[in-house]
Order: sequence, then C-alpha cells, then structure tokens
Amino acid sequence: GESVGLHLPTLSVQEGDNSIINCAYSNSASDYFIWYKQESGKGPQFIIDIRSNMDKRQGQRVTVLLNKTVKHLSLQIAATQPGDSAVYFCAEHTGGGNKLTFGTGTQLKVEL
Amino acid sequence: KAGVTQTPRYLIKTRGQQVTLSCSPISGHRSVSWYQQTPGQGLQFLFEYFSETQRNKGNFPGRFSGRQFSNSRSEMNVSTLELGDSALYLCASSSKDTQYFGPGTRLTVL
Repeated sequence: GESVGLHLPTLSVQEGDNSIINCAYSNSASDYFIWYKQESGKGPQFIIDIRSNMDKRQGQRVTVLLNKTVKHLSLQIAATQPGDSAVYFCAEHTGGGNKLTFGTGTQLKVEL
Repeated sequence: KAGVTQTPRYLIKTRGQQVTLSCSPISGHRSVSWYQQTPGQGLQFLFEYFSETQRNKGNFPGRFSGRQFSNSRSEMNVSTLELGDSALYLCASSSKDTQYFGPGTRLTVL
C-alpha cells in the first residue's frame, strides 16, 4: 500500500530574496539549538547554532533568532541562491551527552 | 580534516536477517551518535557512544544495538530485520557540541 510520510512544509522564494524558515521546539529546558541543511542524497550539513542564553546569532548570509518565551526558532537566509534549495531542520539539545531532537523539516525551493 | 564516513552506502537485506553498519568519525572526535531517518518519522535518535560507552539511548527496540571501538569508530547492528527498518541511517560525530553528519547508509529491507 501507499506509505504515508511526514508532510514537509514548503517555502518557495525567488532567487535573491530573503528566506525565513521557522521552527517550534518542544522542550523549555533545551540549552542549545542547531540548524541543519540536507540536500537530496546527503547527510545533514551544519549551518549555524545558538545557545539558549542568546537571542540572535549571525553567520555568513544566515541569522538565527531564538524566542524562548514562545519556544520559537527561525533561520533567515539573505539573498537566497539556487544552491540553498534543500530541506532545513532545526534541532534542540537537552540534557547531557549529544542527543538531538529534530523538527520535521522545511523544504526550501529557490525559483530562478 | 576528512569528514564522517559511513559504510556501506547502500544495503539491501531481507526480513529476518541482521545487518551491521559502520561509521568512522572525524579525527579527534570521541562522540558518535546514530540516527534513523524515514519519511514517516523523520530524524530520530538511536544512541550515542563516547569513549566506548553508550551515553544516551533513544526509544528503539533492543534489536538495535551499537558499539564503539578504542579508535572511536562505531558500528550499529540491527537484528531480525523488519520491513519498517528500511531507512537512511546517519552517523554523527562531535568533539564538543556540534554534531557533523556522514552521508548515511541507505538500508532497504525486502
């Protein structure tokens, strides 16, 4: 029979525009958050991270915003390029060790 | 530095068989974590090894097991394979907080 998968939200943007990908996390005790990019056939690639004692962090063309009050995380990509097309995951870290809990992901499509 | 490597990249097995997947972490990384990725459940944590000891474990049945060697290389084993075990199995290594993922092993169970 037909398999049912997670419905990935899709964000379509024009090349050159800014993209904003959102994520709601689950655990208020999470101390560290990471954004990953996954292209088809590849493993997740680290983009940027942020600790819970921060509310904003900037990288090259990317900015992560953290709102702990509403348990919300966002990834902003400036001047989106075709190479940015991928699935983006947020992940949260809680407790000891390196266990990450991942969100369902957002498919970013960049239109030329 | 070379990235995380996983072998094999693709594997086809039949129900009831067992399988062993291998992961070589980034040089100097002592923590290795394993994740299962499926269209239905997304990315789910299996377990983490640090200095040859299991440090964290996810909510998977005992058919899923792993180990880590003194050189930090890790293997995971799945016994008595079920159709639902078909997935991309990802390994990630880290030295502190950031986890770096390998390309994964695509396991298909027929």
